[in-house]
Amino acid sequence: EAGVAQSPRYKIIEKRQSVAFWCNPISGHATLYWYQQILGQGPKLLIQFQNNGVVDDSQLPKDRFSAERLKGVDSTLKIQPAKLEDSAVYLCASSVSGTTEAFFGQGTRLTVV
Amino acid sequence: GNSVTQMEGPVTLSEEAFLTINCTYTATGYPSLFWYVQYPGEGLQLLLKATKADDKGSNKGFEATYRKETTSFHLEKGSVQVSDSAVYFCALSDRSSNYKLTFGKGTLLTVNP
Repeated sequence: EAGVAQSPRYKIIEKRQSVAFWCNPISGHATLYWYQQILGQGPKLLIQFQNNGVVDDSQLPKDRFSAERLKGVDSTLKIQPAKLEDSAVYLCASSVSGTTEAFFGQGTRLTVV
Repeated sequence: GNSVTQMEGPVTLSEEAFLTINCTYTATGYPSLFWYVQYPGEGLQLLLKATKADDKGSNKGFEATYRKETTSFHLEKGSVQVSDSAVYFCALSDRSSNYKLTFGKGTLLTVNP
């Protein structure tokens, strides 16, 4: 069974530029999460989808971050404009609806200079 | 709200030494508890889990027991190997938080030959 796929693996951008990350969850997983992991910290939830609806986006900085999950499968996370403090690893995870076990992708390491 | 506190690192051990990484939690409901491992440049991998009090999760020689009375889920391994060098995250998830994972800050383990 294929795991959670993310791209790109690495991205370097200048501040005030925009960037987008893509995630393809495990087939059949209705729940999709985006986490932000800043160096030296544990991952923090940015947004949670159930199919193509948002369950929790309370920690998403909505003035610059946006995410969508069209058709309830793939998801895209966008940052516009990026700030230096957005430098982090962005992790996508998916799970079967109503369960506690989530499976993670390899992440996208973003560096904002 | 939910929170996880785990032992600050870094932890440096010699091969075959005994490992303990402490983890305590605060939760409003009845959470499931997890240990995730992150190898250099990789995403998070589930190491073990426990879903109710007194359950013991185990995998690859690692163990952790869900202690409700002390709200703890300490990770142990009797004899570590160089290949165990990684960052270890304690996490919890429950229905009251829509099954999102709440992570500790992570503990960096380095095992020397």
